[in-house]
Amino acid sequence: DMKVTQMPRYLIKRMGENVLLECGQDMSHETMYWYRQDPGLGLQLIYISYDVDSNSEGDIPKGYRVSRKKREHFSLILDSAKTNQTSVYFCASSLPMGEQYFGPGTRLTVL
Amino acid sequence: GQQVQQSPASLVLQEGENAELQCNFSTSLNSMQWFYQRPGGSLVSLFYNPSGTKHSGRLTSTTVIKERRSSLHISSSQTTDSGTYLCALDLYTGYQNFYFGKGTSLTVIP
Repeated sequence: DMKVTQMPRYLIKRMGENVLLECGQDMSHETMYWYRQDPGLGLQLIYISYDVDSNSEGDIPKGYRVSRKKREHFSLILDSAKTNQTSVYFCASSLPMGEQYFGPGTRLTVL
Repeated sequence: GQQVQQSPASLVLQEGENAELQCNFSTSLNSMQWFYQRPGGSLVSLFYNPSGTKHSGRLTSTTVIKERRSSLHISSSQTTDSGTYLCALDLYTGYQNFYFGKGTSLTVIP
């Protein structure tokens, strides 16, 4: 069963706290993505990973970092979260020249 | 820049009417992917279509690379079709990346 999972699904943090969002996929996809989605702004690419330890900045990487130590796992880290990082975060994966599969999303609120 | 433009931005239909959603792109592509998103939900892939026409139930996707456009046709719309439809340009130039349009918000009223 082809699947992208995200944990947690909902998260509330205080400004200045660290945040870890986890993403997993069971399809051995090489490429994985982190997006955020805000009303009126659409989907914005934060980071893209082409394989283990092969990560590239997307359009809005400031304030975020990522880690990919295994092909099936891709983490998004917010060091000292800010209120403007309140958003819905989506993880996705794909094969080279293949369609993209999305996870269910994580709704993050930073107070 | 704006590589993917979707139109219309929003659309209201009476149940049973047909809809044509457009996606225009400014560069060559590997493929076009269409997604459906329910409010508060994730993105569900409808089509991954490099060129030509694909069908799935009441949905039809047509991608014409020479004209740099892709369309999603919904026939006999139902209230459960309401939501946002997103197209994504799949660019592969050694590395893959997807460029998303802003989406079309569809409301189907009974």
